[in-house]
Amino acid sequence: DAGVIQSPRHEVTEMGQEVTLRCKPISGHDYLFWYRQTMMRGLELLIYFNNNVPIDDSGMPEDRFSAKMPNASFSTLKIQPSEPRDSAVYFCASRGQGAYEKLFFGSGTQLSVL
Amino acid sequence: SQQGEEDPQALSIQEGENATMNCSYKTSINNLQWYRQNSGRGLVHLILIRSNEREKHSGRLRVTLDTSKKSSSLLITASRAADTASYFCATALQIQGAQKLVFGQGTRLTINP
Repeated sequence: DAGVIQSPRHEVTEMGQEVTLRCKPISGHDYLFWYRQTMMRGLELLIYFNNNVPIDDSGMPEDRFSAKMPNASFSTLKIQPSEPRDSAVYFCASRGQGAYEKLFFGSGTQLSVL
Repeated sequence: SQQGEEDPQALSIQEGENATMNCSYKTSINNLQWYRQNSGRGLVHLILIRSNEREKHSGRLRVTLDTSKKSSSLLITASRAADTASYFCATALQIQGAQKLVFGQGTRLTINP
């Protein structure tokens, strides 16, 4: 298996622009998670899906952030409009059905908003 | 504040020495997991210890869990340069019906050759 695949690897954009991050989870995994990592706040859970349904989005910072999972093999995290404070590394992770089991992480998207 | 707090924040040792990292948490957990992150990469799962377990081994890794003290430790024996990375503990807990894995701030480990 290729693992969790994220794209793009790096994204540089200007404040006010729309940003879309993409994730392909491991085939057969039922859970998909979006995390954000910064030096100041560490690794924060933004939202997670179970069987394509959003379960908990309490970590989404504000309405500028939205996430979708139209099918079992694809998810997007969108920021519109982007702001400099959104600069971070965004990780997607997936896992199988077992409760609280280990996560498999993608390589992340390094987002820089100028 | 963070559910998991690692200690120390940074650790630098000589190759061949043992490295010990600690993690404290605040609420009841289902399990506790340790992850490694190499610079510029995603996190990689190392080991999982359940709340009813006290110790677990995997290769050169040894994890202990003390639920009475709400703490865990990760020991890496006979360290190698390739062990240089950040190490995170993550606590698995249920909050308002949602299963969450909450990460600490991590320990940055440097192995000097």
